[in-house]
Amino acid sequence: AQSVAQPEDQVNVAEGNPLTVKCTYSVSGNPYLFWYVQYPNRGLQFLLKYITGDNLVKGSYGFEAEFNKSQTSFHLKKPSALVSDSALYFCAVRVRSGNTGKLIFGQGTTLQVKP
Amino acid sequence: SQTIHQWPATLVQPVGSPLSLECTVEGTSNPNLYWYRQAAGRGLQLLFYSVGIGQISSEVPQNLSASRPQDRQFILSSKKLLLSDSGFYLCAWSVRGHAETQYFGPGTRLLVL
Repeated sequence: AQSVAQPEDQVNVAEGNPLTVKCTYSVSGNPYLFWYVQYPNRGLQFLLKYITGDNLVKGSYGFEAEFNKSQTSFHLKKPSALVSDSALYFCAVRVRSGNTGKLIFGQGTTLQVKP
Repeated sequence: SQTIHQWPATLVQPVGSPLSLECTVEGTSNPNLYWYRQAAGRGLQLLFYSVGIGQISSEVPQNLSASRPQDRQFILSSKKLLLSDSGFYLCAWSVRGHAETQYFGPGTRLLVL
């Protein structure tokens, strides 16, 4: 079965420290991987995606993610966390369905950045 | 640029009442459209998706239905709401392609009492 796992319900970091939010996937074929962020009572905002090419993908707000095929992981990273980065983060993998694609989401990881 | 609208933003409805949530997209043509439900602020469940006018695919059996009367309009409906229909409903769109990114609307918070 195709799936996405985010093993941590919550990640706590101090402002200015690097952050990592973990994601692993299980999918047949080449994966298309996405990260989204959600602030309270808001819709999801697209951060970045991996389709092919360079394993290190750069996205919005200084975030980046590293695709690791051997470990089937796509961890989200940022060199220096900000308090404003505190939010709910979702990893997703695209699976084909007929003539379109569907996203399968992980359960989300709450990032708490403390001053 | 493309924008996606959802309304209402918040809705409180009694059990057994009907429901109609609307989603519209501006600035693009022939989008794929999606309805998701998010329960308890966590995972998202895909409810319906549409690749064109009148074309609706249902992902899970449920008390809800969807319609796409126009190219950029997607409606989520119910004839009789259940308590379990409470949640945060998100609409999304994507450009058709093999690696399309989905872009989400602001969501509708539905509380069924």
